[in-house]
Amino acid sequence: GAGVSQTPSNKVTEKGKYVELRCDPISGHTALYWYRQSLGQGPEFLIYFQGTGAADDSGLPNDRFFAVRPEGSVSTLKIQRTERGDSAVYLCASSPWTSGELFFGEGSRLTVL
Amino acid sequence: AQSVAQPEDQVNVAEGNPLTVKCTYSVSGNPYLFWYVQYPNRGLQFLLKYITGDNLVKGSYGFEAEFNKSQTSFHLKKPSALVSDSALYFCAVRDRENYGGATNKLIFGTGTLLAVQP
Repeated sequence: GAGVSQTPSNKVTEKGKYVELRCDPISGHTALYWYRQSLGQGPEFLIYFQGTGAADDSGLPNDRFFAVRPEGSVSTLKIQRTERGDSAVYLCASSPWTSGELFFGEGSRLTVL
Repeated sequence: AQSVAQPEDQVNVAEGNPLTVKCTYSVSGNPYLFWYVQYPNRGLQFLLKYITGDNLVKGSYGFEAEFNKSQTSFHLKKPSALVSDSALYFCAVRDRENYGGATNKLIFGTGTLLAVQP
């Protein structure tokens, strides 16, 4: 079966531009997470969806970051006015509600020049 | 606040030898602990988890981990290392401090690079 799919796999943009990163979770998984992984670091939590609603957005670094999941499946992470410090690998994971096991996608590598 | 620490940036072991990758945790209440592995240019893969019960947890690819409450540790082990085990390993704890509801949000350590020499 299909795993978590993330697009694009690589994105290079210029400082100040707007970026969207897409995540297609495993079918039937109601929980969806976004993490950010900087070089040499572990994944850092950004936001968690249960269904369509953001149950916990405490990890979003500032109001330039926003995520949606309008139909409870695909999610989009949106970054406005990108900065060089936003360069990282953005990871998406989905999970069955009760298990606690996260299934990760391969990530979207964002480079802001 | 919940946290995990991985004190070793890198662990080197010869193929066929036992390996240990260390993890210590700091939590309030009972911990939910996890190990994930990240191969080059691949997504994180779940290895094993401890929720409750037997302190020795068995996982994928022959790995196991031992939960030690008195030492607040959850070290990853394998009796005989393979070159193909070379990867980045992350310990994680479930964050149970939230806005009043259960969450599967994980807090990850900084990772340990395992290098297995042939």
